[in-house]
Amino acid sequence: NAGVTQTPKFQVLKTGQSMTLQCAQDMNHEYMSWYRQDPGMGLRLIHYSVGAGITDQGEVPNGYNVSRSTTEDFPLRLLSAAPSQTSVYFCASSASGGGQPQHFGDGTRLSIL
Amino acid sequence: GESVGLHLPTLSVQEGDNSIINCAYSNSASDYFIWYKQESGKGPQFIIDIRSNMDKRQGQRVTVLLNKTVKHLSLQIAATQPGDSAVYFCAETYSNYQLIWGAGTKLIIKP
Repeated sequence: NAGVTQTPKFQVLKTGQSMTLQCAQDMNHEYMSWYRQDPGMGLRLIHYSVGAGITDQGEVPNGYNVSRSTTEDFPLRLLSAAPSQTSVYFCASSASGGGQPQHFGDGTRLSIL
Repeated sequence: GESVGLHLPTLSVQEGDNSIINCAYSNSASDYFIWYKQESGKGPQFIIDIRSNMDKRQGQRVTVLLNKTVKHLSLQIAATQPGDSAVYFCAETYSNYQLIWGAGTKLIIKP
C-alpha cells in the first residue's frame, strides 16, 4: 500500500531558483493538502484542493503555487525560492476535508541557501 | 485567530506507566478533533479522532477525552511502550477543509 508518496525526500536550492515538489496518492481521495513544518512547530496549511480542478489557499500561501489536474497528483511549486522557505513539506490526503483523518507522506526536506 | 495549543512541550514517562497529553483549543465552534503521532523523520500518523457530540472515545491503548466546557482535549496512552516515543499533535477543524495544529508535545519514555 503506497498511500501518499512525496518526491524528492531532500532538496537543496539556491535563492531565486524554482522547483516543484511532487505528491501522489493512490487512495482515490478527493481532498489533498500541503503543509510546512518548521522546527519545534506544528503544521501550517499552504494550499489545499477539494477535488480535481479546484484549489484554494491555506494559512501561508505566499510564494507557492498548486494545481490539481488529476485526483491522484497535487504538485507544489516554489516560484522563486527564499531562505524563509527552508522547511519540511508534507502532503496529505483524505476522503473528504474536515471530519476525516488525513494521511500524510513522509515529507520533503527543503533547504534554501 | 483561533488556535490550538499544548500545555507541555515535553513529557517524560516511565515505561509501563500511563501517559496523558493535554491540549487546549480556543474555537468553541470546532466540531472535530484529531490526535496525530509523528516519529522522527516521518509524516504525522493518525491515532484517534473525536467529534464534538462525544466526550470520550477509545482505541487500542489510547483514549481521547473532550471537555467542551473548558475547551480541553487529552490523549491517554495506556502502558506506555518505547515505541510510543514521538511528538504528539492535536488538531481541530477551523473550517470544513482546514485543520489548525498545535505545536506538539514530545513524549519521552524512560526505561
